Amino acid sequence: GQNIDQPTEMTATEGAIVQINCTYQTSGFNGLFWYQQHAGEAPTFLSYNVLDGLEEKGRFSSFLSRSKGYSYLLLKELQMKDSASYLCAVRLTGGFKTIFGAGTRLFVKA
Amino acid sequence: DSGVTQTPKHLITATGQRVTLRCSPRSGDLSVYWYQQSLDQGLQFLIQYYNGEERAKGNILERFSAQQFPDLHSELNLSSLELGDSALYFCASSDGRGYTQYFGPGTRLTVL
Repeated sequence: GQNIDQPTEMTATEGAIVQINCTYQTSGFNGLFWYQQHAGEAPTFLSYNVLDGLEEKGRFSSFLSRSKGYSYLLLKELQMKDSASYLCAVRLTGGFKTIFGAGTRLFVKA
Repeated sequence: DSGVTQTPKHLITATGQRVTLRCSPRSGDLSVYWYQQSLDQGLQFLIQYYNGEERAKGNILERFSAQQFPDLHSELNLSSLELGDSALYFCASSDGRGYTQYFGPGTRLTVL
């Protein structure tokens, strides 16, 4: 079976750093995505990790450990607009099928 | 704006009815994906097409069907609608490598 786990909710303070974890157990792995989704809107692409290690893109960084089935999204210098759901998704082997975790709802408070 | 368009934006219909949702991918993208997002289930992969052919199937009910046309737009047909089909339906597209999926704004379906 396919399973992706993320915390349901997190709260952090404006200007702080927050780490959102994702663990996965899938039959095949071709890469891991992070998407941001504001309520009622479409998901928007944040990052895609294929190899182990940390990838940094501005205030957002994403880490992957394939041997541990683990990834995290790191958000620095939090802003109020970062309040959103963050979706972890795994692209499976043998095609483009992608399965999504339930998402982590992040609340940024002043 | 992702470049992916979906119509209609909102759809209200009754149980037992049939509806068609439409998606136009980004220019140049050959792959189209359909997802269902309901409050209690997150984003669920339904089906994927690549250049007119079905490539992957997820948790798509038999009452649902889709196709991708020669001009690469896609339609998702939902029939014998039930209350539980009320959800946001997203279409996404990607290029041939499929590394990044770009999502459309979604169609909010309400079944009464």
